[in-house]
Formats: sequence, structure tokens, C-alpha cells
Amino acid sequence: DTAVSQTPKYLVTQMGNDKSIKCEQNLGHDTMYWYKQDSKKFLKIMFSYNNKELIINETVPNRFSPKSPDKAHLNLHINSLELGDSAVYFCASSQDLRSGNTIYFGEGSWLTVV
Amino acid sequence: QKEVEQNSGPLSVPEGAIASLNCTYSDRGSQSFFWYRQYSGKSPELIMFIYSNGDKEDGRFTAQLNKASQYVSLLIRDSQPSDSATYLCAVIYYGQIIFGKGTRLHILP
Repeated sequence: DTAVSQTPKYLVTQMGNDKSIKCEQNLGHDTMYWYKQDSKKFLKIMFSYNNKELIINETVPNRFSPKSPDKAHLNLHINSLELGDSAVYFCASSQDLRSGNTIYFGEGSWLTVV
Repeated sequence: QKEVEQNSGPLSVPEGAIASLNCTYSDRGSQSFFWYRQYSGKSPELIMFIYSNGDKEDGRFTAQLNKASQYVSLLIRDSQPSDSATYLCAVIYYGQIIFGKGTRLHILP
């Protein structure tokens, strides 16, 4: 009954491959996010979806493509993986942040590109 | 440019002492303030939130907010080794959440 769940938790893959990370939340939240945390531990937003619509798309390579089939799911597909993509990717969700809410994170997906 | 600043640390505090973590933010329009704790290899978890000026206490944790000076702090009383983690300050600006880079806290046994 994990609130925000993402799979896989660990992923080791070769450069040039295409991979996906799936995320699901059962909190009934309207907004979902993808964050990247690199080796320096800085948490950086990549994308945000509200009710299946993209609302934040920070400067990330277009090899990264989010897909939201419904408001409970936000998947991240990465094409042509590069060494620099190695990081921890966190999915998160929230209700409207203007109403005093905050975001809740999934357990993370550790991606290693070799 | 919206910014949330934290000292990266590490901040070393003896067990049983008070750990004081500070965060400053750049936009006076900020509405909500949060502290997350992140253990190594784990995801950030919410531990405190504060909306109004003053202090808010929850167990050994106290959040302090001063909107005039644009800072928010987290005090941890009776520090335990299990408090060793990275603490992330987060601020909400008009519907967007901005995270600081975190402060590493190390409690010395």
C-alpha cells in the first residue's frame, strides 16, 4: 500500500539503450513530478504533470519523455542513454501546492549507465 | 530567480546537543515552508512544515520562520545518531516548490 511507488528500483544498462521507469500514486493527487538527484545530492525537477497535462518541463534533453496515461501514473522514458544520465530518479505527487500542501516522494530508481 | 540557500555542511553535532539547520529564501511571496530528511540511499521524507511566523514544535523538532528576514530554521533537540542525514529545506512560491541543496548533519556518538 505504498503511496508513491516506482519501478524498477535499480537499473543498470549500457549506453545507447532505451529504458523506462514507471510511477504510480494512490493518494488521489492531481499533480505528479519527476526529479533527478545526481551524485552531489542536488534534487532537480524535470517534469510536472497536472491531471495528465504537462505543466513544468525544465531544461532536460529531449531524450527524456514523460507520459501520463492517467492522473495516477507518470512514466519516464529515456532514449539513447548516456553516462551522465546515471542518477537517482524520484517520482513524487501532490495536491495543489498553493493550498499549503507539499509533495511526497517515491522510493527512487537508481539508474546506472555503463 | 527563486532561490533557496542552505549550507551544505557537514554539520557535526555531539549526541544530546541541539542541532540547528538554517535556510534562506529569496522571494518574499513564499507561502509555505517544509523540512525534509533524507537518509543515504533513501528518498526525502517530510518531517516538518510551517506557514506562519514564529515557532512550531513537534517532538524533538522545532521549525522557526521569520518572513521579514526570509529565513526558516530547524532545531533538533537531544540529537541522536539516527538524526544523521541530509536535511532539505523546501519553499513554495506561487504553486511551485523549490528545494535547497540540503545540509548534511552528522551526530557524533
